[in-house]
Amino acid sequence: DVKVTQSSRYLVKRTGEKVFLECVQDMDHENMFWYRQDPGLGLRLIYFSYDVKMKEKGDIPEGYSVSREKKERFSLILESASTNQTSMYLCASRQGQRNYEQYFGPGTRLTVT
Amino acid sequence: KQEVTQIPAALSVPEGENLVLNCSFTDSAIYNLQWFRQDPGKGLTSLLLIQSSQREQTSGRLNASLDKSSGRSTLYIAASQPGDSATYLCAVLDYKLSFGAGTTVTVRA
Repeated sequence: DVKVTQSSRYLVKRTGEKVFLECVQDMDHENMFWYRQDPGLGLRLIYFSYDVKMKEKGDIPEGYSVSREKKERFSLILESASTNQTSMYLCASRQGQRNYEQYFGPGTRLTVT
Repeated sequence: KQEVTQIPAALSVPEGENLVLNCSFTDSAIYNLQWFRQDPGKGLTSLLLIQSSQREQTSGRLNASLDKSSGRSTLYIAASQPGDSATYLCAVLDYKLSFGAGTTVTVRA
């Protein structure tokens, strides 16, 4: 079974802090994704990566950056957390070919106060 | 831009009844369609993946159909159980995965 894990289930940070969200997948998938999910707005793509050290902006990259130094690990960084970044953050991975399933992690509920 | 719609937004049924969940999308040039389940406060669990060349896919009590030309998919859940209570999301893959807003299902014991 594919396993996507996220470093924290719940996180509380203060405004202005630098925040790191970590995601690890164990199936050697090329593609990894970061989404945020908010009531009424659904799932929105923040960033994705299709290879080590490669990254592409999604629909809402402002205020975020990412890092992929190893194939299995994809990190989301909030350079200076703000209250409007309070959200559920979901990591996902998928094999390189487009006819494969996308798998999600359990999510990190981030609260910025 | 791909738009994915799921109707109804919420559904409540008695245990044992069959569930029918609908998904429509605007651009038929897709690679595949995926159905997910999400429990409150949790991540998404993949249920079924239908390739664009397929008409349906089955897994246990779940059956999903795809009519690409009309931009529709339907997820059938047979003999519903209280444990089926969750939000069900469909997503279509073209250049990226686009999600519907989901249908929240409640199965009453």
